[in-house]
Amino acid sequence: AQTVTQSQPEMSVQEAETVTLSCTYDTSESDYYLFWYKQPPSRQMILVIRQEAYKQQNATENRFSVNFQKAAKSFSLKISDSQLGDAAMYFCAYRSATGANSKLTFGKGITLSVRP
Amino acid sequence: GAGVSQSPSNKVTEKGKDVELRCDPISGHTALYWYRQSLGQGLEFLIYFQGNSAPDKSGLPSDRFSAERTGGSVSTLTIQRTQQEDSAVYLCASSSLRGGGQPQHFGDGTRLSIL
Repeated sequence: AQTVTQSQPEMSVQEAETVTLSCTYDTSESDYYLFWYKQPPSRQMILVIRQEAYKQQNATENRFSVNFQKAAKSFSLKISDSQLGDAAMYFCAYRSATGANSKLTFGKGITLSVRP
Repeated sequence: GAGVSQSPSNKVTEKGKDVELRCDPISGHTALYWYRQSLGQGLEFLIYFQGNSAPDKSGLPSDRFSAERTGGSVSTLTIQRTQQEDSAVYLCASSSLRGGGQPQHFGDGTRLSIL
């Protein structure tokens, strides 16, 4: 079974600064997808960024980028130029590319606060 | 555009009562998922529907939990004889394709509180 670990329960960043959120995972599969989701107090899970395991290039979405290290099974999220609206809970998630069930396996999440 | 809609937003009920939670997925999405988010357990998968295939119920925690999806669209999650440990946020998600990298789109969830 796959597991996702987010070892930092909380982080804080100064507005306009850069912060990196860590995530590691464990799997025996070679083909899979990794995601970062953001959950503000409204509860809705919002997709931040997605990475295909077969792609070596790190995904980027505006101020958000990932550092995907397949051999190390590491998938960290970097937020540049942090904004007050980035304050939320962030979840790392794994999804198999094979098999009949494409469910997401989530980490425990990390609470990010942004200081003005 | 219309996203995933869940109702009720909040539900408070007494221990032992049955509850029904509803999820209306994005139109055209064939895959539908239910997850449970609780303080001690994080986000857990409950059940998965894909088109007309038999649902994957492997995440349901007990036989008090059941779900159905009528007409390949709206889904209801039913919890019978609720217990206090059932208190959690129940999230529904849908996606357009089975497998692949298609992201799951989530609703706002139903916060269930068992007194």
